[in-house]
Amino acid sequence: EVQLLESGGGLVQPGGSLRLSCAASRFSFSNYAMSWVRQAPGKGLEWVSAISHSGGTTLYADSVKGRFTISRDNSKNTMYLHMNSLRAEDTAVYYCAKVLDGSYPINVFEYWGQGTLVTVSS
Amino acid sequence: DIQMTQSPSSLSASVGDRVTITCRASQGISKYLAWYQQKPGKVPKLLIYAASVLQSGVPSRFSGSGFGTDFTLTISSLQPEDFATYYCQKYNSAPITFGQGTRLEIK
Repeated sequence: EVQLLESGGGLVQPGGSLRLSCAASRFSFSNYAMSWVRQAPGKGLEWVSAISHSGGTTLYADSVKGRFTISRDNSKNTMYLHMNSLRAEDTAVYYCAKVLDGSYPINVFEYWGQGTLVTVSS
Repeated sequence: DIQMTQSPSSLSASVGDRVTITCRASQGISKYLAWYQQKPGKVPKLLIYAASVLQSGVPSRFSGSGFGTDFTLTISSLQPEDFATYYCQKYNSAPITFGQGTRLEIK
């Protein structure tokens, strides 16, 4: 079964930075687009960013554009989310998600990791 | 950006009931609509995509319909394990957006 394991979350001060990682296994990582989706405590789901299978196309929600950068290393089966200028409203569980099929990043999400909690607070 | 609005926001029902949740897009999205189920403390689970295609392994009591701007998720006979929060998601174009969720509770 597909495995997605996020890491890198934690407590950070407003204005700080973090890098999240998503280690993928048990599927051909380089063939699939991937996304980050977050969920603030007690709130709904919010798509954050997506990346095509090759990394050539990246997309962002307006709420994080210019502050977050998505990337991937297909040789390591790992996706990343570099988060800068963090704000209190970025506090959430961040999930990585594998698309159902194909390389196109705007897609449905078949598998989700367990998530990593990012808390932005002074 | 296209907004996704679910109704109702919460719903109380009994085991065996037929339940329908609605998702409305502020602009047409063709068939590019998915439904997810999320239980407390768990990750979302894909139920339906392309408005009406049942994801592998999902019980047949779940069904979806709709096209364009109006979509529905129907559970034909509620089971105890179905009490959860349900989200719709549009994926016709960026940005991906989710509905605000519908919390399905036991009556």
